Amino acid sequence: GQNIDQPTEMTATEGAIVQINCTYQTSGFNGLFWYQQHAGEAPTFLSYNVLDGLEEKGRFSSFLSRSKGYSYLLLKELQMKDSASYLCAVRGGNYQLIWGAGTKLIIKP
Amino acid sequence: SAVISQKPSRDICQRGTSLTIQCQVDSQVTMMFWYRQQPGQSLTLIATANQGSEATYESGFVIDKFPISRPNLTFSTLTVSNMSPEDSSIYLCSVWASEGSEAFFGQGTRLTVV
Repeated sequence: GQNIDQPTEMTATEGAIVQINCTYQTSGFNGLFWYQQHAGEAPTFLSYNVLDGLEEKGRFSSFLSRSKGYSYLLLKELQMKDSASYLCAVRGGNYQLIWGAGTKLIIKP
Repeated sequence: SAVISQKPSRDICQRGTSLTIQCQVDSQVTMMFWYRQQPGQSLTLIATANQGSEATYESGFVIDKFPISRPNLTFSTLTVSNMSPEDSSIYLCSVWASEGSEAFFGQGTRLTVV
């Protein structure tokens, strides 16, 4: 079957760094996506990895290891507005997105 | 990029009635995707809407309950029929960027069935 696992909830402190992990098992692989979703809003795109390695975009970075079926999203210099759910999604062999359940990130002052 | 206008943004409906959700994209796209997101859960794909053919439904979703129209390459509707409280959810439409490196979403429709 197809499966994406990520932690349900994480807590971090304002100004700190947090790493959200995602492991996946899918039929085929055509890229991994990270999205941010604030409560009651639509998801917004953060990053896309299709090759192994690190993609950096400002305070956010995303890493992919295809051989390990593993990705992480790294958030630096955390701000209160980063409190949100972070969704990991894999585009499988049929080009449809398979979504993880999301990680709720709580930022404390 | 693609800009998607989705409406209504929210609605409260009586059980047994139907609601039609509309999505308008500012560019032509081959496929549009309809998702449901129940409270505290991730996104579940309902169906893929293709222009000129019937939508392709995922396991657990049927056309009688969620009829979809796709009259042209920029517009689609999803109807939630004969609603029950279990249909209370956020419904989202989505399209791929042309190069496939990002999926864009409408603003979502928050549906409450009472």
